[in-house]
Amino acid sequence: GAGVSQSPRYKVTKRGQDVALRCDPISGHVSLYWYRQALGQGPEFLTYFNYEAQQDKSGLPNDRFSAERPEGSISTLTIQRTEQRDSAMYRCASSTGGTGNSPLHFGNGTRLTVT
Amino acid sequence: GQQLNQSPQSMFIQEGEDVSMNCTSSSIFNTWLWYKQDPGEGPVLLIALYKAGELTSNGRLTAQFGITRKDSFLNISASIPSDVGIYFCAGQRPTGNNDMRFGAGTRLTVKP
Repeated sequence: GAGVSQSPRYKVTKRGQDVALRCDPISGHVSLYWYRQALGQGPEFLTYFNYEAQQDKSGLPNDRFSAERPEGSISTLTIQRTEQRDSAMYRCASSTGGTGNSPLHFGNGTRLTVT
Repeated sequence: GQQLNQSPQSMFIQEGEDVSMNCTSSSIFNTWLWYKQDPGEGPVLLIALYKAGELTSNGRLTAQFGITRKDSFLNISASIPSDVGIYFCAGQRPTGNNDMRFGAGTRLTVKP
């Protein structure tokens, strides 16, 4: 598509449930990133992929969080046994990849609310 | 967490005034980017800087990549009401991959 697409746009879930957030990057973009953004804060790095390979997952808060990108295109961020502190905007971004000249293009995010 | 220190946190200015904000880090970055975020939207790229010392303009926006590679600033000249939003700096670390970290943002309010 023309831009980075995320779904759902909003997700309300009960504490303890698992959620899966989807990101469809810009076609042909090699790199895909997941960020979490609290209200009034900058995006906080979670993890990123080059093609299907997860390059860095150091930003994932704990082992309830995982991400995959099995075919090097669409990615899913999964949060197991959600907790209220997981409530945030989750943003996906993609770039053409390579070092240097590859700025990130962001999607509109998924706002997750854990009740 | 945030690795970039962005300031100021917020600014309230009159339409027509110039604005300056900056980002610093204790680490070296090999790319600096400036984004603007409107309510309910994702960050949108304004300016990208790829070389130490580089000064780049985009309309009323000017940004510079610091010589030390540890800082960058963004200037907005002759502000207008649609400049309102949150501005984020972002830096790409020289780790051989595409790791990108963001500042906490500068919230700009422009009074007509």
